[in-house]
Amino acid sequence: EDQVTQSPEALRLQEGESSSLNCSYTVSGLRGLFWYRQDPGKGPEFLFTLYSAGEEKEKERLKATLTKKESFLHITAPKPEDSATYLCAVQVLSSNTGKLIFGQGTTLQVKP
Amino acid sequence: KAGVTQTPRYLIKTRGQQVTLSCSPISGHRSVSWYQQTPGQGLQFLFEYFSETQRNKGNFPGRFSGRQFSNSRSEMNVSTLELGDSALYLCASSRLRTGGNYGYTFGSGTRLTVV
Repeated sequence: EDQVTQSPEALRLQEGESSSLNCSYTVSGLRGLFWYRQDPGKGPEFLFTLYSAGEEKEKERLKATLTKKESFLHITAPKPEDSATYLCAVQVLSSNTGKLIFGQGTTLQVKP
Repeated sequence: KAGVTQTPRYLIKTRGQQVTLSCSPISGHRSVSWYQQTPGQGLQFLFEYFSETQRNKGNFPGRFSGRQFSNSRSEMNVSTLELGDSALYLCASSRLRTGGNYGYTFGSGTRLTVV
């Protein structure tokens, strides 16, 4: 069964304290792995798409990496405005659809 | 540039009633997907439409249905509402059927409460 697991469930950081969020996946074949950010009361906001092991993408303080079994979202020197829930989702190659399978998310709180 | 618009934002319905939710995708986006988000189950896929055709359906009962119009706008309908249908319903659109490097743009959702 295709599955996505994110850890930790919750993470509290001090401003400037770098850390990483993990997304482990089990799929029959990976078309793409997506990272989203979701603020309370809003829909998820697209961050990155990764396709193959070894790929990396960066945006401001965020850097996403991909291996054959997991993806990491590295947050460098976070600020309070980075507080949000970060969601990881996979798209299965064999399904030939846009369906995303989401993990449960990591809720990040950055304290000033 | 207008984003994905979902209406209404909030809805309170009684058990047994039916409800229709609307989604207007970003102009030019022909792919529209729907997701249900609850605290316990997270985000779960409901349907995907592309060029007015349903391409995939998630593991939800037949009470959940949807459609897409020629202008790419989409509606989803839930009949015979149950308390467990209370959730945030999210619509997402994309210019590419599988999202690609553009990903999917989500609306702010419709918060449905069934009492």
